[in-house]
Amino acid sequence: GAGVSQTPSNKVTEKGKYVELRCDPISGHTALYWYRQSLGQGPEFLIYFQGTGAADDSGLPNDRFFAVRPEGSVSTLKIQRTERGDSAVYLCASSLSGTLSYNEQFFGPGTRLTVL
Amino acid sequence: QKEVEQDPGPLSVPEGAIVSLNCTYSNSAFQYFMWYRQYSRKGPELLMYTYSSGNKEDGRFTAQVDKSSKYISLFIRDSQPSDSATYLCAMNNQGGKLIFGQGTELSVKP
Repeated sequence: GAGVSQTPSNKVTEKGKYVELRCDPISGHTALYWYRQSLGQGPEFLIYFQGTGAADDSGLPNDRFFAVRPEGSVSTLKIQRTERGDSAVYLCASSLSGTLSYNEQFFGPGTRLTVL
Repeated sequence: QKEVEQDPGPLSVPEGAIVSLNCTYSNSAFQYFMWYRQYSRKGPELLMYTYSSGNKEDGRFTAQVDKSSKYISLFIRDSQPSDSATYLCAMNNQGGKLIFGQGTELSVKP
């Protein structure tokens, strides 16, 4: 398909464990975004990449959260020492560019993370 | 106080009704205003976007932005059961991150 894909679709882990969430953006999109959506809330921004570099990581809640995009395409969100409060749907989005005045962000289906 | 406020509902209307959804915001720097629709267990999909103040119409959907009041609206005419979803307003000033409202859950009953 031509859309944004995310794997896994569901992840259940235990408190204290490490998890990695993967995002495959639409081909040719240089900007990639991570958001977190808690139950009954709107998506909350975490980090945005323009190419390989993080253009804005102001939404990462603490140093347990880290994201990479080494080749400017696929991105991985990494969460260390998971806590129950990290349970949420993690959404990835991509757009043609993040630097132009407006670019539609296309969202993937999300990864549902449950920390027991 | 959140930058973007949206009544979470839930909102239930009969088929064919006109639906009005709205958001208020506090950051006067916002220039781009979007409405996303999100079905259960899916990612948000863009319905409409508007730049600055004004109206925009697309089929049964009309988006309005009043920057002087920091208030945006989405109207759905002749609502259908397939419109049942959560509607999210979002905004930013240029590129980059979107600031979302909480989302309004809409149910259109046949």
